Amino acid sequence: EAQVTQNPRYLITVTGKKLTVTCSQNMNHEYMSWYRQDPGLGLRQIYYSMNVEVTDKGDVPEGYKVSRKEKRNFPLILESPSPNQTSLYFCASSLGMMNQPQHFGDGTRLSIL
Amino acid sequence: KQEVTQIPAALSVPEGENLVLNCSFTDSAIYNLQWFRQDPGKGLTSLLLIQSSQREQTSGRLNASLDKSSGRSTLYIAASQPGDSATYLCAGDSGTYKYIFGTGTRLKVLA
Repeated sequence: EAQVTQNPRYLITVTGKKLTVTCSQNMNHEYMSWYRQDPGLGLRQIYYSMNVEVTDKGDVPEGYKVSRKEKRNFPLILESPSPNQTSLYFCASSLGMMNQPQHFGDGTRLSIL
Repeated sequence: KQEVTQIPAALSVPEGENLVLNCSFTDSAIYNLQWFRQDPGKGLTSLLLIQSSQREQTSGRLNASLDKSSGRSTLYIAASQPGDSATYLCAGDSGTYKYIFGTGTRLKVLA
């Protein structure tokens, strides 16, 4: 089954403790992206990647890192999480950026105390 | 900076009604546009994609159109059903590799 898989689905952690949210897709997609969703603000793009080893900032990249060493994986790293990063996070992928539908994972709900 | 407005923010209708959801971009230079559905606790499901060379797309009871001159898109849902209840999001790209999302329309279809 074609899918985008995120792990963990839920995480409660404390300020300053490094964490990684993994994202994997099995569709051989080139474009991958991370979003956060907050009430009243909608989805905002954090980082995106157009292919292996090619990443760029979205609208809200501060406090996040990403890497794209393999085509299928696009982990989101919070080196020193803070409470304002408490949010619902989504990973998405598409065959290419232009004129291709995006496919989303089921989301990761992060709570940082 | 590109911003997206979706109107109405919430909508409650009786089953069987035809309805229109609206999406408006401050910068009309939209390259492609996608409509999504989001169910509570779930990710986003792609409904329709209007590619750069298109003005309209249809799938079953759904029809989406994009007026590139004004930067406005509409999603038309025919003969609504309770199973259509969800939040509907539009997202557009201005050719910058960045998708901008609206804040959504929460739809409730009453049986």
